[in-house]
Amino acid sequence: EADIYQTPRYLVIGTGKKITLECSQTMGHDKMYWYQQDPGMELHLIHYSYGVNSTEKGDLSSESTVSRIRTEHFPLTLESARPSHTSQYLCASSITGNEQFFGPGTRLTVL
Amino acid sequence: QKEVEQNSGPLSVPEGAIASLNCTYSDRGSQSFFWYRQYSGKSPELIMFIYSNGDKEDGRFTAQLNKASQYVSLLIRDSQPSDSATYLCAVILLNAGGTSYGKLTFGQGTILTVHP
Repeated sequence: EADIYQTPRYLVIGTGKKITLECSQTMGHDKMYWYQQDPGMELHLIHYSYGVNSTEKGDLSSESTVSRIRTEHFPLTLESARPSHTSQYLCASSITGNEQFFGPGTRLTVL
Repeated sequence: QKEVEQNSGPLSVPEGAIASLNCTYSDRGSQSFFWYRQYSGKSPELIMFIYSNGDKEDGRFTAQLNKASQYVSLLIRDSQPSDSATYLCAVILLNAGGTSYGKLTFGQGTILTVHP
């Protein structure tokens, strides 16, 4: 079982608030990813990182931002949450870029 | 056309039967193929990966890859009720240098129900 953690697991917040979703892994993986998944829908890559100080936008446009200051930590920030941001956010990591291991996810609801 | 397509199902099989899940992909450059299992409300769990044409077996699971026809399948033998989940097919493209972009493209998933 992969050692990748996400907090909070559930978050209900009002419109306009700034939020940060945390993702940490203890495996020393260089590659980390953020995916967004709506119920019954496919996962979409929104951000990825190949190492410290490396971040790239994914295939799905997102108003969120990420940072990678430490190998083990890859937080995602929304400066001003809106109801359209309601979704499940999944963090993953990989040593090769092939087999990716997912954290438990954060289910975000913006009222 | 979606890059990765799966029949959304639901696929219902009796306990003990073989469940066959199929996936087609559009990009002939795709090199790596993955099957993830996702239980309702949980995150995806990697169960199989395959890189070469042919079959790859792991316990009750067999992944089959046919690059010429651009499809990959997952067979689950002796299906159990605990196998009931959504199965996600994902593909990854290698760049010209042979290293991975590491960007998974997922299908919508096939819902599998195994009934006793």
